[in-house]
Amino acid sequence: EVQLVESGGGLVQPGGSLRLSCAASGFTFSSYWMHWVRQAPGKGLVWVSRINSDGSSTSYADSVKGRFTISRDNAKNTLYLQMNSLRAEDTAVYYCARDADSPVYGIYFDLWGRGTLVTVSS
Amino acid sequence: EIVLTQSPGTLSLSPGERATLSCRASQSVSSSYLAWYQQKPGQAPRLLIYGASSRATGIPDRFSGSGSGTDFTLTISRLEPEDFAVYYCQQYGSSPPPITFGQGTRLEIK
Repeated sequence: EVQLVESGGGLVQPGGSLRLSCAASGFTFSSYWMHWVRQAPGKGLVWVSRINSDGSSTSYADSVKGRFTISRDNAKNTLYLQMNSLRAEDTAVYYCARDADSPVYGIYFDLWGRGTLVTVSS
Repeated sequence: EIVLTQSPGTLSLSPGERATLSCRASQSVSSSYLAWYQQKPGQAPRLLIYGASSRATGIPDRFSGSGSGTDFTLTISRLEPEDFAVYYCQQYGSSPPPITFGQGTRLEIK
């Protein structure tokens, strides 16, 4: 089955760190760019970060730049998001999403995980 | 940053009716780079439309997308009970951040 499964969320104090994982299965993970998208409680979707297929290129939303690091291990079919210096406004469900890899239609997301909740609170 | 504004915020309709959801961009978006997603409570988003008008795999033909430039529309021709959800548009562009979403339209049963 083609799927993405996130893990690693939880409750963390402001200023703390957390590492999220996203396990991919059912497709050739190493061929796809991957993204993290988050959704604060009751709010809309916000793009966080992306990484290319071999991990050599990354980009970030301004709100997380310098604090979050996206990475991947293609041998383990796993995507990561290292989150440092966490703030209350980082509280959200974090989804990993597969880039559809379309040269014609730009970047859109054709496969999503179910998400993992990160709560930043003292 | 390209801001996507969706309207209405909430749309109340009955099964069998036609739904028209709007997504307006603050700058011109390549119509190839506009997608629509459906999200139900407690679930991940699901891709409906890409390239402004192409249906994703497995999406029923009652869903259609149209538009260009700054104005895009998602139409659901005859609402089924399972269509009541929140819908998001998303664009990809060159200006940072490269990917932005609209704030969503909630489609609720009247």
